[in-house]
Amino acid sequence: AQSVAQPEDQVNVAEGNPLTVKCTYSVSGNPYLFWYVQYPNRGLQFLLKYITGDNLVKGSYGFEAEFNKSQTSFHLKKPSALVSDSALYFCAVRRDKIIFGKGTRLHILP
Amino acid sequence: EAEVAQSPRYKITEKSQAVAFWCDPISGHATLYWYRQILGQGPELLVQFQDESVVDDSQLPKDRFSAERLKGVDSTLKIQPAELGDSAMYLCASSSRVDQAYEQYFGPGTRLTVT
Repeated sequence: AQSVAQPEDQVNVAEGNPLTVKCTYSVSGNPYLFWYVQYPNRGLQFLLKYITGDNLVKGSYGFEAEFNKSQTSFHLKKPSALVSDSALYFCAVRRDKIIFGKGTRLHILP
Repeated sequence: EAEVAQSPRYKITEKSQAVAFWCDPISGHATLYWYRQILGQGPELLVQFQDESVVDDSQLPKDRFSAERLKGVDSTLKIQPAELGDSAMYLCASSSRVDQAYEQYFGPGTRLTVT
């Protein structure tokens, strides 16, 4: 069975510092992995995806994510956080069905 | 930039009443999804359409929920009768292809409160 875990309910980072939002998954076969961001009273917005190829994928707003097959992880990263990055972030895995994690609230402190 | 439209944005209804949500996907997107997002959780897929056909409705509570996409464009999700536990955000999303590698574009959602 497919599953995805976001172990942190909330991550607090000072503005200008690097940020990491963690995601691990369980799926049979090769996964398709996605990150989405949700701002208040808005739908989810696509950030980036891993399908195949280079383990480091780059996406919108300066975000990137690293696919690690041995650790079954797909952590979201950004070198320098902005206050405007404060939002709810969802990791999703897709293999037959799409499964979303429960979300991690990212709070960037000015 | 093209967006997925949903209406209404907010809906308050009493339990046992019927309620309906509407979604208009991005023009040309053949694949349409309905999700339910309970507060503090990620979206849960209810139903997926490819054009006018249902591809996956395994998580749709069919005793009270129904969904249709008659002409393969816009879609309606209905709940009858509504129950207190149905209070949630209902999200619609579309994708240009049914291929699992394609990302989805989400609408702003309809927040349902059942009293």
